[in-house]
Amino acid sequence: GAVVSQHPSRVICKSGTSVKIECRSLDFQATTMFWYRQFPKQSLMLMATSNEGSKATYEQGVEKDKFLINHASLTLSTLTVTSAHPEDSSFYICSASGGNRGTYEQYFGPGTRLTVT
Amino acid sequence: DAKTTQPPSMDCAEGRAANLPCNHSTISGNEYVYWYRQIHSQGPQYIIHGLKNNETNEMASLIITEDRKSSTLILPHATLRDTAVYYCIVRKNSGGSNYKLTFGKGTLLTVNP
Repeated sequence: GAVVSQHPSRVICKSGTSVKIECRSLDFQATTMFWYRQFPKQSLMLMATSNEGSKATYEQGVEKDKFLINHASLTLSTLTVTSAHPEDSSFYICSASGGNRGTYEQYFGPGTRLTVT
Repeated sequence: DAKTTQPPSMDCAEGRAANLPCNHSTISGNEYVYWYRQIHSQGPQYIIHGLKNNETNEMASLIITEDRKSSTLILPHATLRDTAVYYCIVRKNSGGSNYKLTFGKGTLLTVNP
């Protein structure tokens, strides 16, 4: 099946610093990538949708200046959490779709556990 | 997109079939039924999807009722590694925002030895 990777898998940072998370589609070209956030014992919540070469579309309540998304190529999207605070601690998951894997199926990465101290 | 209702948890004995129900009584004619699962601390994994016909793949079978208001995911021979949260999602397969997957709370399936 389609493979999506995320890096890093875990990150601990200090409050006020910024953290970048990478999402890569390894064996297909992802025209669309999605970023989700999952707090403990809760379901996944979509944060934003990005299409390659375009600005991301953010869900209601998600601050675009705090969660910077770049989708500069068909295989890479990055999420930067700027000025992180402890309440940003969460499990961040990306998914990718498009290319020869079909337009509608989403393939998920393994997730990145962010802890802000 | 139509909402879904799933039981919060289910148990199944290892080696037996696991039947996970999902109600989607407000599903519209062009909405598909998707199933994903999420093993603890991992990203979701696609299982299967269908429109109105029953579907089967190497992981599971999907049975959709004739009126399409409910469906059942069947894992024919559950193993301990099938312990996960299973999400039933209905979604249109068309452009724009319809690409979105809206995750509910899902069903925590626990497979017991």
